[in-house]
Amino acid sequence: AQTVTQSQPEMSVQEAETVTLSCTYDTSESDYYLFWYKQPPSRQMILVIRQEAYKQQNATENRFSVNFQKAAKSFSLKISDSQLGDAAMYFCAYRSARMDFGNEKLTFGTGTRLTIIP
Amino acid sequence: DAGVTQSPTHLIKTRGQHVTLRCSPISGHKSVSWYQQVLGQGPQFIFQYYEKEERGRGNFPDRFSARQFPNYSSELNVNALLLGDSALYLCASSQGTGFTGELFFGEGSRLTVL
Repeated sequence: AQTVTQSQPEMSVQEAETVTLSCTYDTSESDYYLFWYKQPPSRQMILVIRQEAYKQQNATENRFSVNFQKAAKSFSLKISDSQLGDAAMYFCAYRSARMDFGNEKLTFGTGTRLTIIP
Repeated sequence: DAGVTQSPTHLIKTRGQHVTLRCSPISGHKSVSWYQQVLGQGPQFIFQYYEKEERGRGNFPDRFSARQFPNYSSELNVNALLLGDSALYLCASSQGTGFTGELFFGEGSRLTVL
């Protein structure tokens, strides 16, 4: 079974600064997807960024980028120019790329609470 | 277009009771998944349904059951409630045609068991 570990329960960053959230995972599969989800106090999970394991290039989405190290099974999220609206719980998640039709199970980590300091 | 909608948003039950949670996926989405998020933890996968058939089941007891209707909406049922069932229950939908897109989550149903 796959596991996802987020070792930082809480992080804080000054507004406009850069912060990196850590995630490691364990799997015996070679093909999979990794995600970062954001959960603000409104509770709705919002996809921030995703990475396909077969792609060597790190994904980027505006101020959000990842550092994907497949051999080390590490998947960190970097948030640049932090904004007050970035304050939320951030979850790292894993999904197998097995071609079981309709199998969309996500395995989540325990989350990192990010606080933005004005 | 409306996003994933869940009802009720909050509810309180007592031990031993039964609860039904409802989810309407985004229009055009045929896959619905359910997750349980206990306070302070990440979501845990409960079920996935696609085209009204169960496609995945997490490690939950038989007290948990679900179904998907012809209009692709879904219900999650929990029988004989325990204190430990208190959690946020999240529903997510997708097109389900293999994974090329994201899962879209609702805001969840907060269940408190007393």
